[in-house]
Amino acid sequence: AQTVTQSQPEMSVQEAETVTLSCTYDTSESDYYLFWYKQPPSRQMILVIRQEAYKQQNATENRFSVNFQKAAKSFSLKISDSQLGDAAMYFCAYRANDMRFGAGTRLTVKP
Amino acid sequence: KAGVTQTPRYLIKTRGQQVTLSCSPISGHRSVSWYQQTPGQGLQFLFEYFSETQRNKGNFPGRFSGRQFSNSRSEMNVSTLELGDSALYLCASSLQPTTSYNEQFFGPGTRLTVL
Repeated sequence: AQTVTQSQPEMSVQEAETVTLSCTYDTSESDYYLFWYKQPPSRQMILVIRQEAYKQQNATENRFSVNFQKAAKSFSLKISDSQLGDAAMYFCAYRANDMRFGAGTRLTVKP
Repeated sequence: KAGVTQTPRYLIKTRGQQVTLSCSPISGHRSVSWYQQTPGQGLQFLFEYFSETQRNKGNFPGRFSGRQFSNSRSEMNVSTLELGDSALYLCASSLQPTTSYNEQFFGPGTRLTVL
Protein backbone atom coordinates (compact mmCIF):
# COMPACT_ATOMS: atom_id res chain seq x y z
CA ALA A 1 0.00 0.00 0.00
CA GLN A 2 1.16 3.49 -0.74
CA THR A 3 1.50 5.73 2.26
CA VAL A 4 2.47 9.36 2.60
CA THR A 5 4.12 10.65 5.76
CA GLN A 6 4.45 14.24 6.85
CA SER A 7 6.48 14.20 10.02
CA GLN A 8 5.92 17.86 10.97
CA PRO A 9 2.39 18.49 12.25
CA GLU A 10 3.20 22.19 12.69
CA MET A 11 5.81 24.57 11.38
CA SER A 12 6.40 28.24 11.90
CA VAL A 13 8.33 30.74 9.79
CA GLN A 14 9.08 34.42 10.00
CA GLU A 15 7.75 36.54 7.17
CA ALA A 16 10.30 36.81 4.30
CA GLU A 17 12.23 33.77 5.58
CA THR A 18 12.46 30.32 4.03
CA VAL A 19 10.81 27.18 5.33
CA THR A 20 10.98 23.54 4.24
CA LEU A 21 8.15 21.07 4.74
CA SER A 22 9.03 17.39 4.73
CA CYS A 23 7.28 14.50 3.04
CA THR A 24 8.19 10.88 2.53
CA TYR A 25 6.21 8.19 0.78
CA ASP A 26 6.26 4.49 0.36
CA THR A 27 5.51 2.83 -2.97
CA SER A 28 6.49 -0.05 -5.17
CA GLU A 29 5.36 1.78 -8.29
CA SER A 30 7.88 3.28 -10.69
CA ASP A 31 5.51 5.69 -12.39
CA TYR A 32 3.64 8.14 -10.20
CA TYR A 33 3.07 11.79 -9.47
CA LEU A 34 3.64 13.87 -6.37
CA PHE A 35 1.83 17.00 -5.33
CA TRP A 36 1.76 19.64 -2.67
CA TYR A 37 -1.63 21.12 -1.91
CA LYS A 38 -2.44 24.10 0.26
CA GLN A 39 -5.63 24.35 2.27
CA PRO A 40 -6.18 27.84 3.71
CA PRO A 41 -8.64 28.38 6.55
CA SER A 42 -11.41 28.88 3.95
CA ARG A 43 -10.98 25.14 3.23
CA GLN A 44 -10.62 25.21 -0.56
CA MET A 45 -7.67 23.04 -1.53
CA ILE A 46 -5.27 24.62 -4.01
CA LEU A 47 -2.50 22.93 -5.95
CA VAL A 48 0.89 24.45 -5.10
CA ILE A 49 3.27 22.35 -7.14
CA ARG A 50 3.55 18.94 -8.77
CA GLN A 51 6.31 16.59 -9.82
CA GLU A 52 6.41 13.66 -12.21
CA ALA A 53 8.42 10.79 -10.77
CA TYR A 54 10.29 10.12 -14.01
CA LYS A 55 11.63 13.67 -14.12
CA GLN A 56 14.84 14.17 -12.19
CA GLN A 57 14.66 17.95 -12.34
CA ASN A 58 12.99 19.47 -9.32
CA ALA A 59 9.82 21.41 -10.03
CA THR A 60 9.61 25.12 -9.20
CA GLU A 61 6.70 27.53 -9.16
CA ASN A 62 7.75 31.06 -8.28
CA ARG A 63 8.59 31.02 -4.55
CA PHE A 64 7.79 27.33 -4.23
CA SER A 65 10.21 24.57 -5.09
CA VAL A 66 10.61 20.91 -4.29
CA ASN A 67 13.50 18.66 -3.45
CA PHE A 68 12.59 15.33 -5.01
CA GLN A 69 14.79 12.40 -4.01
CA LYS A 70 13.30 9.37 -5.74
CA ALA A 71 15.63 6.78 -4.26
CA ALA A 72 14.96 8.09 -0.77
CA LYS A 73 11.24 8.50 -1.56
CA SER A 74 11.37 12.02 -0.27
CA PHE A 75 9.51 15.05 -1.61
CA SER A 76 10.02 18.21 0.45
CA LEU A 77 8.55 21.63 -0.26
CA LYS A 78 10.59 24.81 0.11
CA ILE A 79 8.81 28.12 0.44
CA SER A 80 11.07 31.11 -0.09
CA ASP A 81 10.33 34.69 0.98
CA SER A 82 7.37 33.51 3.06
CA GLN A 83 4.30 35.70 3.02
CA LEU A 84 1.40 36.00 5.44
CA GLY A 85 -0.85 34.49 2.79
CA ASP A 86 1.19 31.30 2.85
CA ALA A 87 -0.29 30.39 6.22
CA ALA A 88 -2.33 27.24 5.70
CA MET A 89 -2.38 23.47 6.00
CA TYR A 90 -0.06 21.89 3.47
CA PHE A 91 -0.71 18.39 2.23
CA CYS A 92 1.72 16.21 0.39
CA ALA A 93 0.00 13.80 -1.99
CA TYR A 94 0.96 10.80 -4.06
CA ARG A 95 -0.90 9.60 -7.10
CA ALA A 96 -0.52 6.33 -8.95
CA ASN A 97 -3.92 4.68 -9.23
CA ASP A 98 -5.59 7.03 -6.80
CA MET A 99 -4.62 9.98 -4.66
CA ARG A 100 -3.10 9.45 -1.22
CA PHE A 101 -2.56 12.36 1.14
CA GLY A 102 -0.30 12.89 4.09
CA ALA A 103 -1.68 14.08 7.42
CA GLY A 104 -0.72 17.65 6.68
CA THR A 105 1.56 20.33 8.14
CA ARG A 106 0.06 23.48 9.59
CA LEU A 107 2.25 26.42 8.60
CA THR A 108 2.15 29.63 10.60
CA VAL A 109 3.76 32.77 9.22
CA LYS A 110 4.83 35.33 11.81
CA PRO A 111 4.89 39.01 10.81
CA LYS B 1 -14.87 29.60 -15.77
CA ALA B 2 -16.80 28.56 -12.69
CA GLY B 3 -15.03 26.35 -10.18
CA VAL B 4 -16.14 23.10 -8.63
CA THR B 5 -19.37 23.55 -6.73
CA GLN B 6 -20.71 21.36 -3.98
CA THR B 7 -24.17 21.34 -2.48
CA PRO B 8 -25.22 21.60 0.20
CA ARG B 9 -22.37 23.29 2.04
CA TYR B 10 -23.57 22.19 5.45
CA LEU B 11 -25.76 19.30 6.50
CA ILE B 12 -26.95 17.92 9.80
CA LYS B 13 -28.35 14.41 9.95
CA THR B 14 -29.10 11.84 12.63
CA ARG B 15 -27.77 8.32 12.94
CA GLY B 16 -29.46 5.84 10.66
CA GLN B 17 -30.50 8.40 8.07
CA GLN B 18 -29.10 8.58 4.59
CA VAL B 19 -27.64 11.57 2.79
CA THR B 20 -26.86 12.58 -0.78
CA LEU B 21 -24.17 15.11 -1.62
CA SER B 22 -23.80 16.74 -5.00
CA CYS B 23 -20.79 17.92 -6.96
CA SER B 24 -20.70 19.90 -10.19
CA PRO B 25 -17.27 19.79 -11.82
CA ILE B 26 -15.63 22.50 -13.83
CA SER B 27 -17.11 22.68 -17.32
CA GLY B 28 -15.34 20.21 -19.58
CA HIS B 29 -13.96 18.10 -16.74
CA ARG B 30 -15.00 14.47 -16.95
CA SER B 31 -13.30 13.07 -13.87
CA VAL B 32 -14.76 13.56 -10.42
CA SER B 33 -13.19 12.26 -7.23
CA TRP B 34 -14.56 12.27 -3.71
CA TYR B 35 -12.60 12.51 -0.47
CA GLN B 36 -13.48 12.38 3.20
CA GLN B 37 -11.57 14.70 5.52
CA THR B 38 -11.63 14.19 9.28
CA PRO B 39 -9.29 15.40 12.05
CA GLY B 40 -8.44 11.83 12.98
CA GLN B 41 -8.03 10.12 9.61
CA GLY B 42 -7.08 13.10 7.47
CA LEU B 43 -7.92 13.07 3.79
CA GLN B 44 -9.05 9.73 2.49
CA PHE B 45 -9.97 8.80 -1.05
CA LEU B 46 -13.53 7.55 -1.48
CA PHE B 47 -13.97 6.97 -5.20
CA GLU B 48 -13.42 8.38 -8.65
CA TYR B 49 -15.76 8.56 -11.60
CA PHE B 50 -14.85 9.17 -15.20
CA SER B 51 -17.38 9.26 -18.02
CA GLU B 52 -20.09 7.84 -15.75
CA THR B 53 -17.96 4.84 -14.72
CA GLN B 54 -16.40 4.24 -11.35
CA ARG B 55 -12.67 3.84 -11.93
CA ASN B 56 -11.38 3.48 -8.41
CA LYS B 57 -12.77 2.98 -4.96
CA GLY B 58 -11.12 3.58 -1.62
CA ASN B 59 -11.36 1.45 1.48
CA PHE B 60 -14.82 2.46 2.65
CA PRO B 61 -17.83 0.29 3.49
CA GLY B 62 -20.60 -0.32 0.99
CA ARG B 63 -22.73 2.31 2.72
CA PHE B 64 -20.76 4.81 0.68
CA SER B 65 -21.74 4.92 -2.95
CA GLY B 66 -21.72 7.33 -5.80
CA ARG B 67 -22.61 7.90 -9.37
CA GLN B 68 -21.87 10.25 -12.21
CA PHE B 69 -24.31 11.60 -14.74
CA SER B 70 -23.86 12.23 -18.43
CA ASN B 71 -23.17 15.93 -17.76
CA SER B 72 -20.31 14.84 -15.42
CA ARG B 73 -22.11 15.98 -12.28
CA SER B 74 -21.65 13.51 -9.49
CA GLU B 75 -23.53 12.50 -6.41
CA MET B 76 -22.32 10.68 -3.34
CA ASN B 77 -24.67 8.79 -1.08
CA VAL B 78 -24.12 7.54 2.44
CA SER B 79 -26.74 5.23 3.88
CA THR B 80 -27.35 4.29 7.51
CA LEU B 81 -25.30 7.18 8.81
CA GLU B 82 -22.97 6.65 11.75
CA LEU B 83 -21.46 9.23 14.10
CA GLY B 84 -18.06 8.55 12.54
CA ASP B 85 -19.32 9.71 9.16
CA SER B 86 -19.18 13.29 10.38
CA ALA B 87 -16.62 14.91 8.14
CA LEU B 88 -15.86 17.39 5.42
CA TYR B 89 -16.55 15.73 2.08
CA LEU B 90 -14.48 17.15 -0.73
CA CYS B 91 -15.08 16.75 -4.42
CA ALA B 92 -12.39 17.33 -7.01
CA SER B 93 -12.57 17.43 -10.78
CA SER B 94 -10.02 17.09 -13.54
CA LEU B 95 -9.98 16.82 -17.31
CA GLN B 96 -8.65 13.28 -17.33
CA PRO B 97 -8.61 10.42 -14.84
CA THR B 98 -6.43 10.71 -11.78
CA THR B 99 -3.79 8.39 -13.22
CA SER B 100 -2.74 11.27 -15.41
CA TYR B 101 -0.75 14.36 -14.58
CA ASN B 102 -3.81 16.57 -14.79
CA GLU B 103 -4.41 18.91 -11.91
CA GLN B 104 -7.35 18.22 -9.67
CA PHE B 105 -9.48 21.22 -8.73
CA PHE B 106 -11.23 20.97 -5.40
CA GLY B 107 -14.59 22.25 -4.35
CA PRO B 108 -15.28 24.00 -1.02
CA GLY B 109 -16.64 20.80 0.51
CA THR B 110 -19.81 19.74 2.28
CA ARG B 111 -19.62 19.68 6.06
CA LEU B 112 -21.70 16.73 7.28
CA THR B 113 -22.55 16.45 10.95
CA VAL B 114 -24.19 13.26 12.21
CA LEU B 115 -25.95 13.52 15.56
